[in-house]
Amino acid sequence: GAVVSQHPSRVICKSGTSVKIECRSLDFQATTMFWYRQFPKQSLMLMATSNEGSKATYEQGVEKDKFLINHASLTLSTLTVTSAHPEDSSFYICSARVAGDSYEQYFGPGTRLTVT
Amino acid sequence: EDQVTQSPEALRLQEGESSSLNCSYTVSGLRGLFWYRQDPGKGPEFLFTLYSAGEEKEKERLKATLTKKESFLHITAPKPEDSATYLCAVQASAGTALIFGKGTTLSVSS
Repeated sequence: GAVVSQHPSRVICKSGTSVKIECRSLDFQATTMFWYRQFPKQSLMLMATSNEGSKATYEQGVEKDKFLINHASLTLSTLTVTSAHPEDSSFYICSARVAGDSYEQYFGPGTRLTVT
Repeated sequence: EDQVTQSPEALRLQEGESSSLNCSYTVSGLRGLFWYRQDPGKGPEFLFTLYSAGEEKEKERLKATLTKKESFLHITAPKPEDSATYLCAVQASAGTALIFGKGTTLSVSS
């Protein structure tokens, strides 16, 4: 149980275009989902927290107009990187927290974004 | 300030050589401490949750323990397939996001 999927697993796009990444909790409902970014050989960096049906909360230094997050249902959150630039190239990982009091988070497999 | 520190940064073991990874934390009210395993190019895989001092959990060759200031991940007789980065994270009562340590990269050679 507690499986989280991400799509796509890899994407290459041209500078200036937008890319959407989907995160789904497959076998549980997630009232809260998180988006992380990870650079090579570094730990996870939280970008934003999204709660179903409300606006995402962005961490300091993360541009909310560039990284658009939508959490339309209890099983789906999307991250759209708008007007992507090479410096946005990174590994993006989502996680979903099981509804309830456990605070356990389950992570997706990640999306490798390369902007050329 | 809430903080999580993992040590060592890297650990090399021979197959069968048991050892421990450390996670020290400073948080304002611990709601839970989590251990994850991350393989290169993949998302973290959930291993354990610990909620209170004295709690222990085991899974195959791994055993996690918790005190009021730190947690240990003990690896007994490791195998090469245990090679990965192990991440520790805490859930503080004040916020909703996990606070991660930088991880310990474990390499087990046969």
